[in-house]
Amino acid sequence: DAGITQSPRYKITETGRQVTLMCHQTWSHSYMFWYRQDLGHGLRLIYYSAAADITDKGEVPDGYVVSRSKTENFPLTLESATRSQTSVYFCASSGTSQNEQFFGPGTRLTVL
Amino acid sequence: GQNIDQPTEMTATEGAIVQINCTYQTSGFNGLFWYQQHAGEAPTFLSYNVLDGLEEKGRFSSFLSRSKGYSYLLLKELQMKDSASYLCAVRGYGGATNKLIFGTGTLLAVQP
Repeated sequence: DAGITQSPRYKITETGRQVTLMCHQTWSHSYMFWYRQDLGHGLRLIYYSAAADITDKGEVPDGYVVSRSKTENFPLTLESATRSQTSVYFCASSGTSQNEQFFGPGTRLTVL
Repeated sequence: GQNIDQPTEMTATEGAIVQINCTYQTSGFNGLFWYQQHAGEAPTFLSYNVLDGLEEKGRFSSFLSRSKGYSYLLLKELQMKDSASYLCAVRGYGGATNKLIFGTGTLLAVQP
């Protein structure tokens, strides 16, 4: 299907486990982003990527790792999950005009 | 520092007009965006302003004053489906990126 997809949509894990959230887009957009959304904080940028093999930190990168070996994929890994990482995670992408970001459906992650 | 302020909640009546304000203080400015987010869904793009003035798009209009660090989103002929959170976001200067800083959002409830 065309667009931007995320998997899994829901995930429950335990403290200390490694978790990877997947993001895939079919538009060949250059830019991709990972946000987390929490009550009282709004959307906060975790990491972003301007192109394959180019990534950089956002506002709240601690505890997260990203990679972008292919333009269409931008996985986010929690190396050792903590309860404070319980959140809804959104992936987004945008093209070279940079005037609109398209968001994926989100992944609701619960860390017990 | 960077700060974006918008009211937490607003209530309006079906068929009426509502204005959602956003004030911002950022280290650089390269555009202001409004997104709509229905409960449990992903944000979707509504509007983009980079120059002062009013941008109209159907029932929705967005205004920007860069000198005042101020924007508003105007929703006309309110419908029940307009009940959602409205997110104000600012893009700053930062190299070849499209980083957005989001406000915490305004939850709009449209009543019959």
